[in-house]
Amino acid sequence: EDQVTQSPEALRLQEGESSSLNCSYTVSGLRGLFWYRQDPGKGPEFLFTLYSAGEEKEKERLKATLTKKESFLHITAPKPEDSATYLCAVHLGSARQLTFGSGTQLTVLP
Amino acid sequence: KAGVTQTPRYLIKTRGQQVTLSCSPISGHRSVSWYQQTPGQGLQFLFEYFSETQRNKGNFPGRFSGRQFSNSRSEMNVSTLELGDSALYLCASSPFGTPDGEAFFGQGTRLTVV
Repeated sequence: EDQVTQSPEALRLQEGESSSLNCSYTVSGLRGLFWYRQDPGKGPEFLFTLYSAGEEKEKERLKATLTKKESFLHITAPKPEDSATYLCAVHLGSARQLTFGSGTQLTVLP
Repeated sequence: KAGVTQTPRYLIKTRGQQVTLSCSPISGHRSVSWYQQTPGQGLQFLFEYFSETQRNKGNFPGRFSGRQFSNSRSEMNVSTLELGDSALYLCASSPFGTPDGEAFFGQGTRLTVV
């Protein structure tokens, strides 16, 4: 069965303390991996799309990387405003839908 | 450029009733997908429409249905509401549907069934 697993479930960081979030997947025919940020009570906000192993994308303090089995979202020198739930989703080759992980709830303390 | 608009933002319905939710995609986007988000199950795919045609459907009962209009606006309907249907319903729009483009989400409709 195709699965997407995110770890850790929750992460607390001090402001400026860099870390990484993990998204591992056991799917066949991966056609894209997406990262979203979601604030409480709001819809997910698009961050990145990665299509092939070795690909990297950056946006401000965030950098996403992709291997054949997992993706990492690196957060460099986070600020309190980076606090949110980070979701990854994969797109399977066989169907036009996103399969989401359960998310990592990130809290950045001042 | 206006984002994805979902209406209403909040709804309270009684068990057994039906409900219709609306989604207006980003201008020029032809694909609209619907997702249900609950604390226990996370985000789960309901269905996707492209040019008024349902292209894919998730594993939900037939009480969940949708449609798309010629202007790409979409509605989803849930009949005979159950308590377990309480959730945040999200729609996502993209130009052609994933993986051909990023999907952008609306703010969601919070449905509470009592």
